Amino acid sequence: EVQLVESGGGLVQPGGSLRLSCAASGLTFSSHAMNWVRQAPGKGLEWVSSISDSGGSTYYAASVKGRFTISRDNSKNTLYLQMNSLRDEDTAVYYCARRRIVGVDWRAFDCWGQGTLVTVSS
Amino acid sequence: EIVLTQSPATLSLSPGERATLSCRASQSVTRYLAWYQQQPGQAPKLLIDEASNRATGIPARFSGSGSGTDFTLTISSLEPEDFAVYYCQQRSNWPLTFGGGTKVEIK
Repeated sequence: EVQLVESGGGLVQPGGSLRLSCAASGLTFSSHAMNWVRQAPGKGLEWVSSISDSGGSTYYAASVKGRFTISRDNSKNTLYLQMNSLRDEDTAVYYCARRRIVGVDWRAFDCWGQGTLVTVSS
Repeated sequence: EIVLTQSPATLSLSPGERATLSCRASQSVTRYLAWYQQQPGQAPKLLIDEASNRATGIPARFSGSGSGTDFTLTISSLEPEDFAVYYCQQRSNWPLTFGGGTKVEIK
């Protein structure tokens, strides 16, 4: 069974930093693109960032580019999101999610973690 | 950025009724459109990928159709567990985008 378990969320002041982790099990982690998707309280889903299976390609939403960094350690089956210069509007549940890669096609988000809450407030 | 517009925002139906949800893209996404279901307090669950391909374990009462800019998710006969929020999402272009969601509630 595939499991994705996020950790690292919490309360942080505006301008602060936080690093989220997503531990994966039950899958060949290094074969999949990995992603972060967030959901502000009472709002819809927002894609945040994606990273290729090797880690060689990364993609960011405009709202986080230059402040957030996605990375992965395939030897530890772990995905990360380093979040700097946090703003009130970054308050959300952050989900990690898998996208299978078939050939050159990155499929939809087919496995999700339970999410970790990040609250940015003074 | 491709904007996805979902309608209606809320759908009030009774169990056993048919639900039809719409997702319209601001430009063509060919067939790279997915649908997700989210129950309160839970992570989203993939229902449909590539407009019409049901994900593993998804019941046949869920079906997707469409291409280009107009897509539909149909639930043929609502079960109690189907009352939830549904999101569409495109993976044709970066940045990936989601629609605003349709809440299917019990009438």
